[in-house]
Amino acid sequence: SQKIEQNSEALNIQEGKTATLTCNYTNYSPAYLQWYRQDPGRGPVFLLLIRENEKEKRKERLKVTFDTTLKQSLFHITASQPADSATYLCALDKELTGGGNKLTFGTGTQLKVEL
Amino acid sequence: DVKVTQSSRYLVKRTGEKVFLECVQDMDHENMFWYRQDPGLGLRLIYFSYDVKMKEKGDIPEGYSVSREKKERFSLILESASTNQTSMYLCASGEEKIKSLHFGNGTRLTVT
Repeated sequence: SQKIEQNSEALNIQEGKTATLTCNYTNYSPAYLQWYRQDPGRGPVFLLLIRENEKEKRKERLKVTFDTTLKQSLFHITASQPADSATYLCALDKELTGGGNKLTFGTGTQLKVEL
Repeated sequence: DVKVTQSSRYLVKRTGEKVFLECVQDMDHENMFWYRQDPGLGLRLIYFSYDVKMKEKGDIPEGYSVSREKKERFSLILESASTNQTSMYLCASGEEKIKSLHFGNGTRLTVT
């Protein structure tokens, strides 16, 4: 069956360092992979989308890589700040026959950036 | 900015009650989704709709139904609430061609 794996253990890093989060998947051939941020008590917020034919995508301090051979995406936050502390979710995309897309989410990795 | 509004932040219901969770989006999105989120299980798709009066089962539809009479509104219905439906419920919307989703802030439902 299709499976998305994110490290369930919290990642603690020091302010200013680069945080790297991993998303692995099996039995999927997604056209897209997305990353979301979720703060406690709030809904997820979309951050980045990367297509299967893209190796890397950047947005400000964020960088996402997508390796369809390894079936893995890495999510990097450079120069991390305490405000980056949140849970980060990866999601894989499946096209719907009626249009639009259906997303399946990983369980998320909690990031804590310490001073 | 896209706004997805869920009618209640917190809800407490008794076992056997019929429960309605309402979601409204203001950006004319074709697609709407209901997820539930539980610790260790992540977000799981309950139902989705890609057009008015259309609905499709997600991964865990049992015990739930939905209604989409207007494009902006997508309702989740728990026909007879049970304690295992205690969860955080998240509504999301998205455009047909744009792949990202916009989420509401969730309804935390407790069934006692």
